[in-house]
Amino acid sequence: GDSVTQMEGPVTLSEEACLTINCTYTATGYPSLFWYVQYPGEGLQLLLKATKADDKGSNKGFEATYRKETTSFHLEKGSVQVSDSAVYFCALSPKTSYDKVIFGPGTSLSVIP
Amino acid sequence: DADVTQTPRNRITKTGKRIMLECSQTKGHDRMYWYRQDPGLGLRLIYYSFDVKDINKGEISDGYSVSRQAQAKFSLSLESAIPNQTALYFCATSENSGRRTDTQYFGPGTRLTVL
Repeated sequence: GDSVTQMEGPVTLSEEACLTINCTYTATGYPSLFWYVQYPGEGLQLLLKATKADDKGSNKGFEATYRKETTSFHLEKGSVQVSDSAVYFCALSPKTSYDKVIFGPGTSLSVIP
Repeated sequence: DADVTQTPRNRITKTGKRIMLECSQTKGHDRMYWYRQDPGLGLRLIYYSFDVKDINKGEISDGYSVSRQAQAKFSLSLESAIPNQTALYFCATSENSGRRTDTQYFGPGTRLTVL
């Protein structure tokens, strides 16, 4: 079945370091792909999304490119801030289903000053 | 004011008790969802509803039931709580546009502990 795999955390970085959180997926056809972020004590919120191969989603300095050939959607940021400390979830919406979003396990990021 | 609210935010209960978690939204969305979050497992779908008359089971519906009282309200019940239902529960909404790219909007979560 459809699934999402993320790199395990927790990830700890110093402020201004580069960030990459790996995400790969298994799905039939071409799903839509998402990154959601969960700040401490809050619900998830959409960070960025991409709907077709080679699309790049971007928001708040974060980027992710839909790579069909490697079935990946890695999250990147060139310079992280303390305020980026959160849990990041990669997710997909299957081509065959309009009603489900499948989430990865989440990756916890801590940015230290 | 928050668009998606959940009550209570925290609840401690005992095994065998019936408990209801409530969700309300002011976004005007037709679709509503209940998820549970467990460490290392991400979010898993419990139930979802596309409108007041449409209720569907998710991947882990056993032990849970739901009620869609109105477009804006979607409640999750545990008829007889057990310790392995201890988790963080999220309600979410999305537009009923038929597009796979629709964003889901989450409430702040309810932390439930079953002793």
